[in-house]
Amino acid sequence: GENVEQHPSTLSVQEGDSAVIKCTYSDSASNYFPWYKQELGKGPQLIIDIRSNVGEKKDQRIAVTLNKTAKHFSLHITETQPEDSAVYFCAAYNFNKFYFGSGTKLNVKP
Amino acid sequence: EAEVAQSPRYKITEKSQAVAFWCDPISGHATLYWYRQILGQGPELLVQFQDESVVDDSQLPKDRFSAERLKGVDSTLKIQPAELGDSAMYLCASSLQNTGELFFGEGSRLTVL
Repeated sequence: GENVEQHPSTLSVQEGDSAVIKCTYSDSASNYFPWYKQELGKGPQLIIDIRSNVGEKKDQRIAVTLNKTAKHFSLHITETQPEDSAVYFCAAYNFNKFYFGSGTKLNVKP
Repeated sequence: EAEVAQSPRYKITEKSQAVAFWCDPISGHATLYWYRQILGQGPELLVQFQDESVVDDSQLPKDRFSAERLKGVDSTLKIQPAELGDSAMYLCASSLQNTGELFFGEGSRLTVL
């Protein structure tokens, strides 16, 4: 089955700096890669996603890149703000199943 | 905006008691998932439904857990009897078939004493 690894497990940045979270996957059949933001006590919220036929996608301050050859994808947050502090999960999808990374706790210091 | 509804949000129970969680997916979403999330970890699939049929329950502890989606709309996850190790967040999610976009509910936080 698919195996998704996510790094780092914790990330602390100063407000205004950029943050990068990386994930790798093992199954070349995976074709959809969403990212979720989870605030304390709440369910994960989809923030951005990318499909395997696209290399990069941006939405305001967040972007995701995908390298199919190397089987890795990354989340980039620019101009971080305190409200970006949360746990972020990556996932890989194939054959109607999702495989989640272990999460990155992002702390943005004001 | 359409949401996945879950209840209760919080449940405290004693071990050996029965507990049930309810989920109402986004209208029209044929695929429904129940996940368990232990603090500090990613969601782990318990059971997946396609309409009213179970597609995958390989990770569901069937001696104590059961799930149903009788009319292919809302779903119930039951634990009986609850054990201390069942303390976790139980997340319901839904998606349109084969699109990949997965939407989560707010979750049900279970504490077993």
